[in-house]
Amino acid sequence: AAGVIQSPRHLIKEKRETATLKCYPIPRHDTVYWYQQGPGQDPQFLISFYEKMQSDKGSIPDRFSAQQFSDYHSELNMSSLELGDSALYFCASSTGRGYNEQFFGPGTRLTVL
Amino acid sequence: AQSVSQHNHHVILSEAASLELGCNYSYGGTVNLFWYVQYPGQHLQLLLKYFSGDPLVKGIKGFEAEFIKSKFSFNLRKPSVQWSDTAEYFCAVNGVEGGSYIPTFGRGTSLIVHP
Repeated sequence: AAGVIQSPRHLIKEKRETATLKCYPIPRHDTVYWYQQGPGQDPQFLISFYEKMQSDKGSIPDRFSAQQFSDYHSELNMSSLELGDSALYFCASSTGRGYNEQFFGPGTRLTVL
Repeated sequence: AQSVSQHNHHVILSEAASLELGCNYSYGGTVNLFWYVQYPGQHLQLLLKYFSGDPLVKGIKGFEAEFIKSKFSFNLRKPSVQWSDTAEYFCAVNGVEGGSYIPTFGRGTSLIVHP
């Protein structure tokens, strides 16, 4: 069965650089979520999109932005990277806004040096 | 704001021991409840879920959870754990707050099962 795809799997950036993470949801899933998981931490909800529109906003910093495209894939853009942004970034997809189970991707490991 | 509390951060068991992981949430409205599992080096995957109906739900790999509305709890249980159950377990809540659907995860419980 198709799963959520994330790219890249690993990314190393320097402080103040920018990064773009991509997420390809399971086919026919209309909702995409982004999470940040620091070492030993729970996944923190950043932002979600439903039917290509921003749906809900969590603890996403102003330096980050995201969008969902016509093919339902989503991109998380991160600017002015800080050391504290080093984390695992998960994308998840589901059907229906917010209520249903989420299917998670493998994550992108971002390291900021 | 809704929150999820997992009482045990680290649990160490021997194979065949029984497991119960506590999860309490604070939210007054209708919620959907989930347990996700993250095996070493793998991504989060669904273990079981509760939407409505029978408060005792069964998931994969012999896990079950009981929703007790009066206690705002959704504890995870397994009568006999295996070495392969070694993983991180997350309780999660999807609720509506001010018109927004904010998924909230607990801090996770690290389970180590010794063979």
